Formats: sequence, C-alpha cells, structure tokens
Amino acid sequence: DAGVIQSPRHEVTEMGQEVTLRCKPISGHDYLFWYRQTMMRGLELLIYFNNNVPIDDSGMPEDRFSAKMPNASFSTLKIQPSEPRDSAVYFCASSLSAGPRNYEQYFGPGTRLTVT
Amino acid sequence: LAKTTQPISMDSYEGQEVNITCSHNNIATNDYITWYQQFPSQGPRFIIQGYKTKVTNEVASLFIPADRKSSTLSLPRVSLSDTAVYYCLVAIYNQGGKLIFGQGTELSVKP
Repeated sequence: DAGVIQSPRHEVTEMGQEVTLRCKPISGHDYLFWYRQTMMRGLELLIYFNNNVPIDDSGMPEDRFSAKMPNASFSTLKIQPSEPRDSAVYFCASSLSAGPRNYEQYFGPGTRLTVT
Repeated sequence: LAKTTQPISMDSYEGQEVNITCSHNNIATNDYITWYQQFPSQGPRFIIQGYKTKVTNEVASLFIPADRKSSTLSLPRVSLSDTAVYYCLVAIYNQGGKLIFGQGTELSVKP
C-alpha cells in the first residue's frame, strides 16, 4: 500500500503565480481532505470531499483557492494568484467511509509551499 | 470562540506514563474524538479514536468523561521515540460540525 501520495513535495514560486498541488488518495477510500499547516494557525481543514463531491469548503480562505476531485484517485488544490501568506505545508488525507464520524484519516507527506 | 484547548508543551522521562488532555466544550453530539501524532516533516498519524468512556489499543488509551467536554490521551511508559506533537480532532457542534484540530501538545521525552 503506497499510502496517500502528494506532489510536489516542495514548491517555490513567486507571488502572483498559479500553484497546483496534487493528491492521490489510498485506493478504496471515499473521503479526501485538504489541510493547511502553519506555525501561527496550526492545522486547518480547507475542504473535504465524499465520493468526489465537495462536502464542506468553509475552510477555503478565499476565492484564490479552489479544489477539484475529478475522479476517485486524484484531487488538486489550486491557488491563483499565490501570495506570500499562502506559504505553508499543505496536507492531503483520505479515509474509508464509516460515515463522517470516522476521523481515522491517513495523511500524505505534505507539500511545502513557499511563495516569495 | 472557544474551540479546543490543549497544553502547548509537556516534558516527561522515559518509562513514565503521560496524560494529555484536550478540552472541547462544544463537541458535536454523535461524533468521535480522535487523536493524532505528528513527527517533524511528516503528516499526522492516527493514534486512537473514541466516543465515550475508555478505549485502549496497542499504543494508547483514551479516556472520555460522560459529558464529553474533554478527553485524555494516555501514553503508557513513553520512550524517546514518542517525542512528537499530539493533536486532538473533534467536530464542533456550534460550527455546523466543522472538524477542528487542537493546537497540539509538543511532548518531549528525556532519557
């Protein structure tokens, strides 16, 4: 089992550029989560999907952020345009359905984003 | 708006039992309380999950009082490799069941 796969692992970009983060969940998992982690704000849930459908995107900071899940094995988180305050580690996690009450999530290694 | 509260840091010595408490006043009624462990440069890793009373697995125990306004993660006989940050994860009732991670407790285990 390869676990949750994220790419790239590191991304350095200039302010104003578009950034796309990618995630492949564990096969068979039907929940997918995107988190952001910073020293100041800790771990924040941005959005999560169930069976490829966005369920709660209330954590998405603003319209510059968008997430898609075109199929069960792939999701993207896009920031356009990027700003220095978006610098953080972005984690993707997946879980197997036991309803939304099951929070046994499997996290990927994260993407460290630096916006200069 | 209070969400969850954990001690920022704790120190312990090898072989001791460590108890980390998370306060969550507005937890959603029917949702689980979950704890995660995170090492530097890694994603969080699931430790244990429970709804009420006591749950035990091969690495930890979780104690949840009847009012579910707090939970305590218990790590028996910690070792140096247990040095990590520990997070509680709950769904907050008065925020529509939004999943909230605690701010994390940095546990340092000394020899």
